[in-house]
Amino acid sequence: GAGVSQSPSNKVTEKGKDVELRCDPISGHTALYWYRQRLGQGLEFLIYFQGNSAPDKSGLPSDRFSAERTGESVSTLTIQRTQQEDSAVYLCASSLGADHYNEQFFGPGTRLTVL
Amino acid sequence: AQSVTQLDSQVPVFEEAPVELRCNYSSSVSVYLFWYVQYPNQGLQLLLKYLSGSTLVKGINGFEAEFNKSQTSFHLRKPSVHISDTAEYFCAVTKGSYQKVTFGTGTKLQVIP
Repeated sequence: GAGVSQSPSNKVTEKGKDVELRCDPISGHTALYWYRQRLGQGLEFLIYFQGNSAPDKSGLPSDRFSAERTGESVSTLTIQRTQQEDSAVYLCASSLGADHYNEQFFGPGTRLTVL
Repeated sequence: AQSVTQLDSQVPVFEEAPVELRCNYSSSVSVYLFWYVQYPNQGLQLLLKYLSGSTLVKGINGFEAEFNKSQTSFHLRKPSVHISDTAEYFCAVTKGSYQKVTFGTGTKLQVIP
């Protein structure tokens, strides 16, 4: 079956612009995660959805970052007034719910470059 | 709160030599542990996981890891590495379903011909 897909694969934007990143999880996966991976660094947790609600938003770096999920499916991560430090690869992952202990399936990522 | 420590940011090793990538975690409750691998220019994929039962877990590509509760460790090992094992390896921990997963900062394994 299809894996996790993300779009766009690459995004170049100017400082101050807003960007929207999309994640399509594996069908039937109730949990969805967003991570940020800066160049040469590890994964930084941003936000987690269980269904359409986000029990843990603790990783969002600032109020410029927001995310939503609809229909227990697609999720969008929005970054407003982008800054150069937002440049990174944004990874999305999904997992089944109970009894699957959060084994995550990752998408290919969106590489964001803020000029 | 849970955390994961991967002390070695880079590990160079000669081809066909054994390797151990270290992972230590901290948590006040039982945890589930994972190793993920990220090959160059690719996404992360699951290498192996410990949920319960035998503390020695075998994964793909000849890797294995041992869960040591007393030492709060989950080190990854391979008896003989190949060039194709060159990648970044991430250890991760979660308290269970519907719980946040915390990743370590990663260890870059460089296999030298």
